[in-house]
Amino acid sequence: DIQMTQSPSSLSASVGDRVTITCRASQSISGYLNWYQQKAGKAPKLLIYAASRLQSGVPSRFSGSGSGTDFTLTISSLQPEDFATYYCQQSYSAFLTFGGGTKVEIK
Amino acid sequence: QITLKESGPTLVKPTQTLTLTCTFSGFSLSTSGVGVGWIRQPPGKALECLALIYWDDDKRYSPSLKSRLTITKDTSKNQVVLTMTNMDPVDTATYYCAHSSYSGSFRNFDYWGQGTLVTVSS
Repeated sequence: DIQMTQSPSSLSASVGDRVTITCRASQSISGYLNWYQQKAGKAPKLLIYAASRLQSGVPSRFSGSGSGTDFTLTISSLQPEDFATYYCQQSYSAFLTFGGGTKVEIK
Repeated sequence: QITLKESGPTLVKPTQTLTLTCTFSGFSLSTSGVGVGWIRQPPGKALECLALIYWDDDKRYSPSLKSRLTITKDTSKNQVVLTMTNMDPVDTATYYCAHSSYSGSFRNFDYWGQGTLVTVSS
């Protein structure tokens, strides 16, 4: 099975900061990479699919890039509502697997 | 409008079998490309995909839990059922079901249930 590794596991940032989260796959997954946001006590929400395509309704300050084994999620200007945990997920195989998550906290 | 809701026991004893039901609306699990997955999250920990079932009855399981899991669908009732045998306190988690479909050729979980907390304790 394909393993997904995220870094960092947590970070502290201020409103307005540019934030970058990294996700690495244990084998090439082409562009089959999704990003989710999860707020405390809530179900995850799909942000980005196909590595860089924004899900409908997601603000344009979120962007994704990468291909093969290395991917990034960038928040261009962190907003108060963006403090949450972010997960990557591969969809290259029929069994989708998640990364370990990155918690974005207020500095 | 797609909605999903998980139901089942909130408390199970060690060694017991857990049965969870996902009841959904707004889509059909007989439509090509559609799937439903079960995902769990222990308190304070990461998401873990447990099982997926697709419109053509293809089933996929977590390799580490495969021997304990069974996923089935009842298309007429719009339900997906997950059973997990030999429950242990480490299986305490919030269990989610989620709708899976393709955006282009890219699969994702685009709709989620609210989740149900299952505690394993004697």
